[in-house]
Amino acid sequence: KAGVTQTPRYLIKTRGQQVTLSCSPISGHRSVSWYQQTPGQGLQFLFEYFSETQRNKGNFPGRFSGRQFSNSRSEMNVSTLELGDSALYLCASSLWTGSNSPLHFGNGTRLTVT
Amino acid sequence: DQQVKQNSPSLSVQEGRISILNCDYTNSMFDYFLWYKKYPAEGPTFLISISSIKDKNEDGRFTVFLNKSAKHLSLHIVPSQPGDSAVYFCAASEGGGADGLTFGKGTHLIIQP
Repeated sequence: KAGVTQTPRYLIKTRGQQVTLSCSPISGHRSVSWYQQTPGQGLQFLFEYFSETQRNKGNFPGRFSGRQFSNSRSEMNVSTLELGDSALYLCASSLWTGSNSPLHFGNGTRLTVT
Repeated sequence: DQQVKQNSPSLSVQEGRISILNCDYTNSMFDYFLWYKKYPAEGPTFLISISSIKDKNEDGRFTVFLNKSAKHLSLHIVPSQPGDSAVYFCAASEGGGADGLTFGKGTHLIIQP
């Protein structure tokens, strides 16, 4: 069974631009979550989607948004990029929503904002 | 305010010995705890979890202990193997995980031959 696939692996953008990251979950998984990892803050929850609906959102500004498609694939978008958005963005899928369904992470997209 | 703390950024253990990774939390509403392992250039991999109604959970070489009164959990790896060298993250959730997982900043475990 293929794992969680994130594209692209690396991105370099300029301040003020916008970016879209893509995530394909494990086949059959309906929940997709996004996390931001930085050296200073560690892994922080961005949002979770289940059955095309955003279930919850972490403490991030409105510039961070996402969506989920009917095939469970998900995208996240960051608009008006800032230098502090440079991070590893991790997508994770699980069979169901809720903490009892362990997350399976992709290898992440490394975003660098210059 | 960091709700999940891993106070040891790194830990070095000899191969064959026991590795003990510690994690403290401040939010008494957390009711589910997990450990993830991460190799460089890869995403975290789920290792083991424990519900707050238990105080111990075992899976092969990995055992997680939960002390609710001390708001402390630990991961024991016995015996430690070279492939265990990785960054270990402690994570917690409340209310079924509706607000996602809260992660610690990780402990880098190095297994010495």
